[in-house]
Amino acid sequence: SQQGEEDPQALSIQEGENATMNCSYKTSINNLQWYRQNSGRGLVHLILIRSNEREKHSGRLRVTLDTSKKSSSLLITASRAADTASYFCLFFSGGYNKLIFGAGTRLAVHP
Amino acid sequence: DTGVSQDPRHKITKRGQNVTFRCDPISEHNRLYWYRQTLGQGPEFLTYFQNEAQLEKSRLLSDRFSAERPKGSFSTLEIQRTEQGDSAMYLCASTPRSDTQYFGPGTRLTVL
Repeated sequence: SQQGEEDPQALSIQEGENATMNCSYKTSINNLQWYRQNSGRGLVHLILIRSNEREKHSGRLRVTLDTSKKSSSLLITASRAADTASYFCLFFSGGYNKLIFGAGTRLAVHP
Repeated sequence: DTGVSQDPRHKITKRGQNVTFRCDPISEHNRLYWYRQTLGQGPEFLTYFQNEAQLEKSRLLSDRFSAERPKGSFSTLEIQRTEQGDSAMYLCASTPRSDTQYFGPGTRLTVL
C-alpha cells in the first residue's frame, strides 16, 4: 500500500511537554496537511501548509515544511491530556489517485 | 462534528454477504472521497467523486467494490461477497476543493 513515512510511530510524554512528529514523502507536493484522529473516530483537520511556505502556526501547533528534504514536522507545544490521539500527514501531489496519508504517530500525553 | 455523516457506524456481517454504506457530505461540497483504514495504519484512498462523476479509483478497489453518488449528493459504497480481509474502518470525506478534507465518523466493518 502507498503510505508516507512518519516517525516516531509512538510518542509518550507528560502534560506540559512539547511533542514533535515528522513526516517524509517521496514525490513533489502541492501542499501537506496534518490531521488528528481520536481512537476509533474520524479524522479532524489541523493545519495545511503549501509547498511555497516554510512554517505555519495555529494556536499551539507549529508546522514546518522542507521541500528540499521532502519532510514536514508537527510540533505541539505545552501538550495536554486531550492531545492524546493519532496524528497523520496527508500529501496532495497533483492527482487524486496520489492522495497519500502517512502511517501516523500515536501520541499519549500523561497527566 | 464536521457535518459529514456516515451510516451505519458499525456493521458485522458474515463472509460472502453484501454490505452497503452511506455517506452524507456537507451539502455545498462537490467533492467526495472514500478511504479504508485498517488498525494501526493511515487511511488509504479508495475513490473520488466530483459531483456525480467518479473520477478516480484506486487499485485497492477490486471488482467487488462499487461506489455511486447519484445526483451529486450522498454516496454509497457497496462491497459484494465480503471477505475477512475487508474488515476495516471505511471513511468518507468531503471538500469544496482539493484541500481541507472534512471526515465523517466512519463505518467499522467486521467480516466474520
